[in-house]
Amino acid sequence: NAGVTQTPKFQVLKTGQSMTLQCAQDMNHNSMYWYRQDPGMGLRLIYYSASEGTTDKGEVPNGYNVSRLNKREFSLRLESAAPSQTSVYFCASSDGAMMTDTQYFGPGTRLTVL
Amino acid sequence: AQSVSQHNHHVILSEAASLELGCNYSYGGTVNLFWYVQYPGQHLQLLLKYFSGDPLVKGIKGFEAEFIKSKFSFNLRKPSVQWSDTAEYFCAVKRAGNMLTFGGGTRLMVKP
Repeated sequence: NAGVTQTPKFQVLKTGQSMTLQCAQDMNHNSMYWYRQDPGMGLRLIYYSASEGTTDKGEVPNGYNVSRLNKREFSLRLESAAPSQTSVYFCASSDGAMMTDTQYFGPGTRLTVL
Repeated sequence: AQSVSQHNHHVILSEAASLELGCNYSYGGTVNLFWYVQYPGQHLQLLLKYFSGDPLVKGIKGFEAEFIKSKFSFNLRKPSVQWSDTAEYFCAVKRAGNMLTFGGGTRLMVKP
C-alpha cells in the first residue's frame, strides 16, 4: 500500500518557468490537499479538494492552480514560478469525514526557483 | 481567525530526558487535535490525535498528549527521549468545516 505519492521529489526552476506537481493516493480518500512548508511557518494550505470535481482555495493560493483529475489524483501547477515559491510542497489526503478526519501526507517535493 | 502556537521553536535534550512540547490554539469551540512528526528528510507522520473522550491520548513510540480544554492546550510528552526522536514536531487543530491549521513546528534535537 503506497499511500500518498508525489512526483517529482526535487525540482529546480528558473523564474517564469511553469511546472506541475503530481500527487496520487490509493486509499480511496475523498479529500486531497496541497500544502507548502517554509521554515518557522509550519504547513500552510494552498488548495484543497473536498471531493472529486471540487476545488477550493486555502490560505495561500496566489500563483497556483490545481486540478482534481479523478478521485486518486490532484495536481498543483505553477504557471510562472517566482523565487517566493521556493519551498517544500506536500500533498495529503483524508477520508473527509466531518469530525474524525485525519490527513495522511506524501513524501514532499522540494522546489527551488532561481 | 484560528491560530496554533508552538512556543518552543528549538529544543535540545540529552537521551533519557523527559520531553514536553507546548501547543496552544485560539479557538474555543469543539476541536480535533493532532501531533505530527517529521523525521529528517521524511514526510509528516501522524503521532497521535484527539477527537473526544479521555483527554490523555497515547500515540506511537511512547508519546502521549493531554488535552486541557480550559487552557486551550494540547501538549506533547514523552518520559524518556531517544536519539531517534530527533525530528520536527507539528501540532495541528481542526474544527468542523474548517481546514487543518498547523503550528510553526518545534525542532527537537536529542544528544546521544
